[in-house]
Amino acid sequence: DAGITQSPRHKVTETGTPVTLRCHQTENHRYMYWYRQDPGHGLRLIHYSYGVKDTDKGEVSDGYSVSRSKTEDFLLTLESATSSQTSVYFCAISYQRLAGVDNEQFFGPGTRLTVL
Amino acid sequence: AQSVTQLDSQVPVFEEAPVELRCNYSSSVSVYLFWYVQYPNQGLQLLLKYLSGSTLVKGINGFEAEFNKSQTSFHLRKPSVHISDTAEYFCAVSDTGAGNKLTFGGGTRVLVKP
Repeated sequence: DAGITQSPRHKVTETGTPVTLRCHQTENHRYMYWYRQDPGHGLRLIHYSYGVKDTDKGEVSDGYSVSRSKTEDFLLTLESATSSQTSVYFCAISYQRLAGVDNEQFFGPGTRLTVL
Repeated sequence: AQSVTQLDSQVPVFEEAPVELRCNYSSSVSVYLFWYVQYPNQGLQLLLKYLSGSTLVKGINGFEAEFNKSQTSFHLRKPSVHISDTAEYFCAVSDTGAGNKLTFGGGTRVLVKP
């Protein structure tokens, strides 16, 4: 199994508070991703990183920011949490390969966030 | 941009019966295709993937999928399901460039009944 951990695994917070979720990998993979999972929507990409300090937005990035100061850590921050951000958040990693050779993402166990 | 449609949100099936989960995608560029499985309260696990070559792809746990370019489909099948196959299944696509960004379908929940 790919070495991916997420912390915390569960969190309940109140509207308006800041929240930071952490993804940690031991695989030294270049690419890291944050997704949110909501019923009927599958997983949607929030932000991704293609290297230290290199990040970009996904399709649902509003209200979220990310940082990657080390290869192994990718942080997702909700500056001011809202009830619409109640969701399950998954981190994923992938290693860079030559285009056409491989393209697999490995997923962490998820963080269940409830915003009251 | 790509999009993925999983045509069935829920599929009930009896144990030892066959199952087919349907997935259609749209994309203006070449894509890679994936099926992931999520068991209750767990993360996602890769079942199989299509990158190139043979259009019939075999994965883990007896699953297989067929890529049909003309119909832009990538349906998942298993000839005989077990209770342990109860899970949610996600179809996903990514473009063939760098970045490996995945676009997921909405998921199909499979409930295997004894």
